[in-house]
Amino acid sequence: DAKTTQPPSMDCAEGRAANLPCNHSTISGNEYVYWYRQIHSQGPQYIIHGLKNNETNEMASLIITEDRKSSTLILPHATLRDTAVYYCIVRVQFPNTGNQFYFGTGTSLTVIP
Amino acid sequence: GAVVSQHPSWVICKSGTSVKIECRSLDFQATTMFWYRQFPKQSLMLMATSNEGSKATYEQGVEKDKFLINHASLTLSTLTVTSAHPEDSSFYICSARPDGQLPQETQYFGPGTRLLVL
Repeated sequence: DAKTTQPPSMDCAEGRAANLPCNHSTISGNEYVYWYRQIHSQGPQYIIHGLKNNETNEMASLIITEDRKSSTLILPHATLRDTAVYYCIVRVQFPNTGNQFYFGTGTSLTVIP
Repeated sequence: GAVVSQHPSWVICKSGTSVKIECRSLDFQATTMFWYRQFPKQSLMLMATSNEGSKATYEQGVEKDKFLINHASLTLSTLTVTSAHPEDSSFYICSARPDGQLPQETQYFGPGTRLLVL
């Protein structure tokens, strides 16, 4: 089962920052937070991941609260091509099969011209 | 880097036939791959974990005799939908986890295979 909750949808004006929140209140100490996005009829695309510290790459920034119970994905300058469903995933660890992803419902982000 | 391909990208078949979907990691080795299914307007559902050299691990409610998984090498996993029925029509997506990434273990996803069973 997914261990994350996200708002079902959000709008963002083109050129503005898009801030996508995620709650993961049951996260364990060694579990990473991953963000992926899925553009219609394609496979999910990796965006970023983190454990405790804030992370930044060429696509986005990830802000994780100090208690690690929530995080925010920031797309600094949203473009129309960023319209997609964004999934926040907490990796679940199993002894025999290793780590697995369970997808929640995600946030459908619409970037408006 | 970290490219995953799937073949075919779409397939239409008659009810009762079997369909094989291939998942390949193109520029890395992956002892572990994953198969997901996605119905329209829904999220991805993990079906099974595929491990090279051992049996796949199926999620609860997924029939292992219907969805046969073979992880033949460190770059190839196949999913065979046996005796397909219209309710098996879905978007099937695989992912691969590059070896040697512990503890971070990012998964990289294929483009998906759309299956339509008539």
